[in-house]
Amino acid sequence: EAEVAQSPRYKITEKSQAVAFWCDPISGHATLYWYRQILGQGPELLVQFQDESVVDDSQLPKDRFSAERLKGVDSTLKIQPAELGDSAMYLCASSDRANEQFFGPGTRLTVL
Amino acid sequence: RKEVEQDPGPFNVPEGATVAFNCTYSNSASQSFFWYRQDCRKEPKLLMSVYSSGNEDGRFTAQLNRASQYISLLIRDSKLSDSATYLCVVSRGATNKLIFGTGTLLAVQP
Repeated sequence: EAEVAQSPRYKITEKSQAVAFWCDPISGHATLYWYRQILGQGPELLVQFQDESVVDDSQLPKDRFSAERLKGVDSTLKIQPAELGDSAMYLCASSDRANEQFFGPGTRLTVL
Repeated sequence: RKEVEQDPGPFNVPEGATVAFNCTYSNSASQSFFWYRQDCRKEPKLLMSVYSSGNEDGRFTAQLNRASQYISLLIRDSKLSDSATYLCVVSRGATNKLIFGTGTLLAVQP
């Protein structure tokens, strides 16, 4: 069964450092999503791509977060500089025209 | 106030019990409705979509009341393996954006 791949699975960094997360969606899925999930809360959408174009980044803190999907396939989410409050699970999901979103295993970020 | 509200629980129930979760949403423009399941430290997975006519998948029954903006999930004959967090989710807008509730934690006891 096809899966969404993410790396790294775990990341520990110090505040003010830069971090980057990678996501490879299910092959053929045109829509890719990045979510942040803080412990005890539901996932919150950060950015949504349709192919290589951003269609929703209204909740992305653009002063420190950036996301790209240059060839419309895999994607990178970057945080620079990281802050203590960025500690969370970062989930990537993808969907096809049927719209069901399939999530990857996530990257658990700890900022010290 | 959150757009999707759920009782966070935990719900502690014995094996074989019937348990019901409720959820309310505030945006009447919400288009589609789902329940996702999330195991501890794992990613969310779609459990079932929710329709106004109600839908059933084995021991799970979901119901939507658009007038009251209320969604429910009923689990019959609870199993130990049902222990997880159940996320109520709505979608809206041209981009089909998903809005998640905070989740309800279910712990099924032997």
